Order: sequence, then structure tokens, then C-alpha cells
Amino acid sequence: NAGVMQNPRHLVRRRGQEARLRCSPMKGHSHVYWYRQLPEEGLKFMVYLQKENIIDESGMPKERFSAEFPKEGPSILRIQQVVRGDSAAYFCASSPRDRVGDTQYFGPGTRLTVL
Amino acid sequence: QKEVEQNSGPLSVPEGAIASLNCTYSDRGSQSFFWYRQYSGKSPELIMFIYSNGDKEDGRFTAQLNKASQYVSLLIRDSQPSDSATYLCAVANQAGTALIFGKGTTLSVSS
Repeated sequence: NAGVMQNPRHLVRRRGQEARLRCSPMKGHSHVYWYRQLPEEGLKFMVYLQKENIIDESGMPKERFSAEFPKEGPSILRIQQVVRGDSAAYFCASSPRDRVGDTQYFGPGTRLTVL
Repeated sequence: QKEVEQNSGPLSVPEGAIASLNCTYSDRGSQSFFWYRQYSGKSPELIMFIYSNGDKEDGRFTAQLNKASQYVSLLIRDSQPSDSATYLCAVANQAGTALIFGKGTTLSVSS
């Protein structure tokens, strides 16, 4: 039973480029969450999505960041015009959503480095 | 701002001892509580979840929840060097749409 999959595992971008991070949830899970972990910081919630819907984006920066979870294919976290402060580990989690506050299972993460 | 607080440590215990990790949270309406373990450079791995007041045991791990005191703890019995990691306390927000994480407690188990 495959777990949450994320790719790429490592991504290097120069300032001003775009970064696209992909996440495929666990089989049977239809709810996806994105978190960011800055160096020496805790995990911070960014966005919660269901298929074709953004449910809670209260943790997303107002500019340059966007997320989607299309009907077909993985969820995408997109960062436009990256800056050095975007360097972090980005984790995706998924849940079956049987109940409020359901257990979230994390993928291996994408380590983004902005040069 | 809803917060989850943990002592950053490091917490050092000898092999075979009991490790006690503590967490407090500010949102009195929270209903779901989780402990994750994170090894350096890796992703968070779920250890336990707890929804009701009291204790919940799973192998060497026991989670304790006291909603009146807004306090969650994790006990690790018979600690092993492989338990050395950062332990993250997470609390679901009231809407259940996000987990709020503490910064984690670093545990070091010496052999």
C-alpha cells in the first residue's frame, strides 16, 4: 500500500524562477494538506484541499504561492518568483477524512533550495 | 493566534528509562491530538493520536490527554537509542482543517 508520494525530493531554483511541487495522496485518501518547515522552525500549515476545491488556505502567503488539486492527477504547490526565504522543506499530508481532525499521514517532503 | 507549546529540550534519558514529553495548547475547542516523530532530515511519522481525556496505550507508548488543563503528554517506556528523534505535538484546529504543531522536543537516548 503506497504511502503519500512527493516529487521531486530535492529542487534547486534560482531567485525569480518558479517551483512546482507535486503530491499524490495515499490510496483511498481524498484530502491533501501542505505544510512548510523552515530551517530550525516548526511545521506550519499552508493549505488544505479536496479534489477541485481549496477548503482552507489560511496559512498560504498572500502572494506568489498557489495550490491546486485537480480532478485527475496530483496536487500541485506552485511558488512563483522564488526568493531565498522560500528555501525550506515542503511536506504534503493526506487523510481519508472519516472525521473532523482526522489523522494525517505525511509524505517524504520536497527540499527546496533557492540560490 | 492558536499555539502549541513544547519544551525544546534536549531531553536526555538512559536506555531502558521512561521518557516523558509534554505539550500544552491554547485552543480550548480542539478535539484531536497527535504525536509525530521526526528523525533529522526526514518527514514526520505518526506515533499516536488521542481524542478523549485519559490515557491511550500502544506498545511502549502512552499518550495522556487532559482537556481541562489543555495538556497532552507522551510517555515512552523502555527507551531505546533508536527513539532518539524530535517529537512533535500536533493539535487539530476546531474546524479540523489543519494541524497546529509545536516546535518539537528533541529526545536523546544514550546506550
